[in-house]
Amino acid sequence: GAGVSQSPSNKVTEKGKDVELRCDPISGHTALYWYRQSLGQGLEFLIYFQGNSAPDKSGLPSDRFSAERTGGSVSTLTIQRTQQEDSAVYLCATTSGGGDEQYFGPGTRLTVT
Amino acid sequence: QKEVEQNSGPLSVPEGAIASLNCTYSDRGSQSFFWYRQYSGKSPELIMFIYSNGDKEDGRFTAQLNKASQYVSLLIRDSQPSDSATYLCAVNRRDSGYALNFGKGTSLLVTP
Repeated sequence: GAGVSQSPSNKVTEKGKDVELRCDPISGHTALYWYRQSLGQGLEFLIYFQGNSAPDKSGLPSDRFSAERTGGSVSTLTIQRTQQEDSAVYLCATTSGGGDEQYFGPGTRLTVT
Repeated sequence: QKEVEQNSGPLSVPEGAIASLNCTYSDRGSQSFFWYRQYSGKSPELIMFIYSNGDKEDGRFTAQLNKASQYVSLLIRDSQPSDSATYLCAVNRRDSGYALNFGKGTSLLVTP
């Protein structure tokens, strides 16, 4: 596709349930980043992929969070046993690697009730 | 110390005026600097990036970088009501494949 896409656009889940958030990068973009934007907290880095490997997972807030990337393309962010504090907009961004300008997808708004 | 700091605003300017948005950062070794615009309920949109000291102009936007002072700014000339948004300053994290540290953003309101 022409841009970064994310699905679902909105997700409402009950506390304790697991959720999966998906990111489809711009074709050919090798680097992929996940961020989280909470109300009043700004954008927070979660994890970075180069190809299928994740050299930096330092931003993941707890071991309930994990992510993978397959085929150097689609990435999935999984949150297990969701908590109310996980409610946020989860954003995916990609870059071609030739430059470090990042382009964001539309985000997934997660609400944990 | 927060790594990227911005005045939260709101910054209010009249239509046609110059809006000046400022950002400071703590990592002296940072090399890449970005300005994103974010409308309410939307994702950030890249509007400018700058790597070298000095000014970089693109249409009505000018980014200014002073590495010695660890200071980045964005000037918007001939401000329009459609420029009303939150402007996010971002700086690359050298230890993380160019992941970005973001400021919390400055809210800009351009009044007709």
